[in-house]
Amino acid sequence: LAKTTQPISMDSYEGQEVNITCSHNNIATNDYITWYQQFPSQGPRFIIQGYKTKVTNEVASLFIPADRKSSTLSLPRVSLSDTAVYYCLVGDMNTGFQKLVFGTGTRLLVSP
Amino acid sequence: GAVVSQHPSRVICKSGTSVKIECRSLDFQATTMFWYRQFPKKSLMLMATSNEGSKATYEQGVEKDKFLINHASLTLSTLTVTSAHPEDSSFYICSVHRSGSSYNEQFFGPGTRLTVL
Repeated sequence: LAKTTQPISMDSYEGQEVNITCSHNNIATNDYITWYQQFPSQGPRFIIQGYKTKVTNEVASLFIPADRKSSTLSLPRVSLSDTAVYYCLVGDMNTGFQKLVFGTGTRLLVSP
Repeated sequence: GAVVSQHPSRVICKSGTSVKIECRSLDFQATTMFWYRQFPKKSLMLMATSNEGSKATYEQGVEKDKFLINHASLTLSTLTVTSAHPEDSSFYICSVHRSGSSYNEQFFGPGTRLTVL
């Protein structure tokens, strides 16, 4: 399973755009990139998933360059409630992306 | 998304006792469930893969006799922490995998906070 590297923590203010970058230098051809969000004392929650270029949903965008060795989760106009830990994971879609290996995650703190 | 429940949400027990944690997939059948453990301010660590009707697969370093997993039905997996000790105090989270839609994703339960005195 491809190992991921993320910043340990990030700080932001309400209303700002936050970009969290994840490195996955040894990503395999069949690997997809998925981001999860976790609030304290809760299970992680799926945010977004992609393979290449750009994916956007109602809560975030995911930017993946052509070499796929990194990806950037973009959260537009964050609020206090976006304070959480964000995990980047890569996994093989063909095997069902079943065995998840969590890295350190990025602890995002949004201040007023 | 899929709904996964865990029971209990919080448990405090004395050292030496056994604690059972239930994980239920409420709206679809899951042949595979996963159990994670998370210590404070740390990441999730996969403990084992729970397979319906067969033995669980444990990750390296996880004692199978210490953490008993039973997956007797397609909607229920249980994790029993046997002879619990204070170092077993942790946040235990289960998940189920769902495929066939636009995404392959895992749905996580709300977690169970175990405190061993």
